[in-house]
Amino acid sequence: DQQVKQNSPSLSVQEGRISILNCDYTNSMFDYFLWYKKYPAEGPTFLISISSIKDKNEDGRFTVFLNKSAKHLSLHIVPSQPGDSAVYFCAASAGWGAQKLVFGQGTRLTINP
Amino acid sequence: DAGITQSPRYKITETGRQVTLMCHQTWSHSYMFWYRQDLGHGLRLIYYSAAADITDKGEVSDGYVVSRSKTENFPLTLESATRSQTSVYFCASRGLAGVSTDTQYFGPGTRLTVL
Repeated sequence: DQQVKQNSPSLSVQEGRISILNCDYTNSMFDYFLWYKKYPAEGPTFLISISSIKDKNEDGRFTVFLNKSAKHLSLHIVPSQPGDSAVYFCAASAGWGAQKLVFGQGTRLTINP
Repeated sequence: DAGITQSPRYKITETGRQVTLMCHQTWSHSYMFWYRQDLGHGLRLIYYSAAADITDKGEVSDGYVVSRSKTENFPLTLESATRSQTSVYFCASRGLAGVSTDTQYFGPGTRLTVL
């Protein structure tokens, strides 16, 4: 029973264009959402988060959008850069902020020059 | 070195053996976590700890044991390793909510192969 789903295992985008990574969740108790980025042979690193009281959060080139009615969130990266090539994990938690996180399967993003 | 470290980085063992994966953090974070990463599943929580001597099970805790006698260490033991426990294991930590940033910080991972 996958409570957080990333249905696209991989995504390829041209450098300078927008990358859009999607995530769906089923548990209506989730109220805090995060995106992590992971390079090979390294641990995940925090990228950006959003609380359920907001529908958008922006940090530089990264913007996360939350659609609570659709139980869907997305990460937009504009413009995409070669260093953005990595696996991106969506994660969610219910209460407590980022204590017990439930992760999606991950999406491998490749930025082509 | 400041941060969160894991040892060993790579481990090969045989079915039935006991294996302990180590995790050490220098931030004095209250919370520590163990995850495993498998293809098609993302990261799944094995165990977590809110403080020294306080631990609780996560989603996939069967076959694993943890202890936390000191705040900075959170070892994970596979009591009798099975092939299904072949995975990459990540340790993470975070401070108290409202005191530090609201995120978990991950170690570099341990790749465990059970033959």
